[in-house]
Formats: sequence, structure tokens, C-alpha cells
Amino acid sequence: RKEVEQDPGPFNVPEGATVAFNCTYSNSASQSFFWYRQDCRKEPKLLMSVYSSGNEDGRFTAQLNRASQYISLLIRDSKLSDSATYLCVVPSSNQAGTALIFGKGTTLSVSS
Amino acid sequence: EAQVTQNPRYLITVTGKKLTVTCSQNMNHEYMSWYRQDPGLGLRQIYYSMNVEVTDKGDVPEGYKVSRKEKRNFPLILESPSPNQTSLYFCASNRPQAYFGEGSWLTVV
Repeated sequence: RKEVEQDPGPFNVPEGATVAFNCTYSNSASQSFFWYRQDCRKEPKLLMSVYSSGNEDGRFTAQLNRASQYISLLIRDSKLSDSATYLCVVPSSNQAGTALIFGKGTTLSVSS
Repeated sequence: EAQVTQNPRYLITVTGKKLTVTCSQNMNHEYMSWYRQDPGLGLRQIYYSMNVEVTDKGDVPEGYKVSRKEKRNFPLILESPSPNQTSLYFCASNRPQAYFGEGSWLTVV
């Protein structure tokens, strides 16, 4: 299994739709996980941190399944402004400290 | 305000002309890293540093050098740039989540 694997998409959804992205990881010892959002060729920005079973922030919900080693991101009531690439991020198993491994990202396009 | 600042933001250079991309963070983080991002390949780590004077290779270190003489600064050096180093470069500072600079678009002709 790759360290971090995401479905690249693209996911094309209408405004108001609910969409979910999954991410699988290989490092079973990982304790903290992150979802980042990246707009076209701009820097990635932290969207959510996931430290236990899950986290919710408004329309965004992140869930963690340690047994199956996957993380999901659910976006409810999609907005045009949600169009971006979403990166799943997990700690590296090869480096000590706070090294992170970034998935290649899932692209979301929300249309009116 | 937590910030990672990298310069230059945009640069076109010629093959073989040494260049340095600077990176500075104001969060007193120990861990810093450099990434390049190319279409379809995602973020790939070039070099990382776990503290002052402690640096190590990431996944794609060939053609790059780094130094970490102070905690806040982590410059990326291209001694002899080649066209395959044309890319978008990001500096990041971690604790544990990563804070990124705005990116440096580098074109080598």
C-alpha cells in the first residue's frame, strides 16, 4: 500500500450536493491527520485536523477509521467556492519528528 | 501572524546559472522542508531539516542543496539549474501541521 492514496477525481457536482472523498494510508502508527485545500497553483492551506475519530467544522466533516486505515472528508451543501483540490496528509513513517506525506489530491469542481 | 515567506515568487533563469530561493518562518518551528509540485505528480519533498545544522534528503534531492544556519531560514540552492527543474516550489514549516509559503514559480530555459 502506498503511504497515502487518494482518488484523483475529478469530482464534478452541482451546487448544494454532498460529496465525499476517501484517503487510505499505510502507517498504522499515525496519530494525526490533516486535510488541506489547494486552489489552482497556490499554496496548500490547512482545512481540518483529525486527531481522533473525526472532526466537524460547519459543512465539512472529517472521519477517521483506524482499523481500515482510511480518512474521509465530507462536504455538505457544496458551494462554487469549494472548487479546489483537496489533499490528504498523514505523518511520514520514514522520518522522525513532524514530517508529513501529502496525497496527490482530489479535484472538486462545483457548478451552478 | 504566522508566516512563511519565500523569494523570489517568480523567476526565469538560464541553464547553469546558480540561484537561491530563500525561505523564512516566524513561528520558531524546528522542522522545515522544501517541495516541488508538478502536474500529475503532487507535492514531492526535496529536502527537509529537523533543526539548525540538521538537513536530509527527501524524495527528489538531485540537483538541489539546502542549508540551515539559523532556525528561521532554510534556503534552497540550485547550483546549476536545468530545464527539468522548471517547477512550482513551496517551502513549509511544520508543527505538526504544515504552513506553506506562497510558492516560487521557477522557469529554467
